Amino acid sequence: ETGVTQTPRHLVMGMTNKKSLKCEQHLGHNAMYWYKQSAKKPLELMFVYNFKEQTENNSVPSRFSPECPNSSHLFLHLHTLQPEDSALYLCASSPWDLAGGPGEQFFGPGTRLTVL
Amino acid sequence: SQELEQSPQSLIVQEGKNLTINCTSSKTLYGLYWYKQKYGEGLIFLMMLQKGGEEKSHEKITAKLDEKKQQSSLHITASQPSHAGIYLCGADMEYGNKLVFGAGTILRVKS
Repeated sequence: ETGVTQTPRHLVMGMTNKKSLKCEQHLGHNAMYWYKQSAKKPLELMFVYNFKEQTENNSVPSRFSPECPNSSHLFLHLHTLQPEDSALYLCASSPWDLAGGPGEQFFGPGTRLTVL
Repeated sequence: SQELEQSPQSLIVQEGKNLTINCTSSKTLYGLYWYKQKYGEGLIFLMMLQKGGEEKSHEKITAKLDEKKQQSSLHITASQPSHAGIYLCGADMEYGNKLVFGAGTILRVKS
């Protein structure tokens, strides 16, 4: 596979469930990102990882827990979510080298999450 | 108010017409990115602009970054139904890997 892939594409969960979103990039990039896109709101950055280290947590509630085991994989663990957390969750990656900076971000297709 | 303002919020044009979408910031931009999104899907990278006065084109889409690097415009010539979607601008407002996005412009093209 090429580019950035996300699984699952759709997820419906109850407020007491625990689930995980997975993102994988096949581009050899060093930075990975989680974004949340809600209806009628701008795309919101949630987390940034550079070289597997978290460099940004944009005041995200603790019910969202990211994990980056290596530069190619990124997870978002979900537990005790609220209905207002229903949204499209997008993963992205970018080259991010010290000389060139972050570079353009390439996005996955997203996971459509519905919390009942 | 948002850090990046996009206008218009939505646009309906007749096929074959030209259109322009604007993206404005109150701060100097280190990098400006244009993306296109089909509803409910991921973002597709269109163009990146970094230098003041820079202009790039891809097929019938042209993007410019003004000299002060605070505003960008995306221009589509002779629009087609395939151009329909949501256009988002994203910007580096400080050197780093944090992109801020505008709210998006929804484009519909009528045949």
